[in-house]
Amino acid sequence: PVLTQPPSSSASPGESARLTCTLPSDINVGGYNVYWYQQKPGSPPRYLLYYFSDTDKGQGSGVPSRFSGSRDASANAGILLISGLQSEDEADYYCMIWSNNAAVFGGGTKLTVL
Amino acid sequence: QITLKESGPTLVRPTQTLTLTCTFSGFSLSDRGLGVGWIRQPPGKALEWLGLIYWDDDKRYNPSLKSRLTITKGTSKNQVVLTMTFMGPVDTATYYCAHRPRVGAHYDTWGQGTLVTVSS
Repeated sequence: PVLTQPPSSSASPGESARLTCTLPSDINVGGYNVYWYQQKPGSPPRYLLYYFSDTDKGQGSGVPSRFSGSRDASANAGILLISGLQSEDEADYYCMIWSNNAAVFGGGTKLTVL
Repeated sequence: QITLKESGPTLVRPTQTLTLTCTFSGFSLSDRGLGVGWIRQPPGKALEWLGLIYWDDDKRYNPSLKSRLTITKGTSKNQVVLTMTFMGPVDTATYYCAHRPRVGAHYDTWGQGTLVTVSS
């Protein structure tokens, strides 16, 4: 499968950013954990969280609660919501799923904090 | 504290075989449910999953690269080895190894990565 992420997004400090990860039409987001990673230049990815449902989700170690996950069933998409944006949140964000015994990453979204 | 570190050649000639070693600490790959994965990232591009080895020596590979990849446990208990054959310029990338925990399919700890350039 191919996970589609918008190449870029921007928001101002203090605002919220909503990053999407759209699954192909032949697989239902409701059946998958969607994992999210943050990557800053020159550094390896950092695991942020996963979201399956409101009762089945998890936060990575040390990840602030202003990072949260959800899904948009109508869009067949996983969502990463970052509230109270800070300049340090400027980074690339990748989603990932496990499907058919393989991991698949999205193309990544570059988030700019204006 | 879990740490991982990739090591191997920084330059590989086209058609050669790449061998990278992931040396880790803070966990044992014989512990049930754990895994070590390999992921790469061409300069300026997205992450690409390569494969995974589980505690029980079971393996999974990216279907599009499966014929070129082999992941094994190293001779030392704290090492995992990635082998990729028939390297070409498009394989130029930073190669990461990462820890997959007992629960979940994610990678919660990553090595710093090693840049491998394929060039004649």
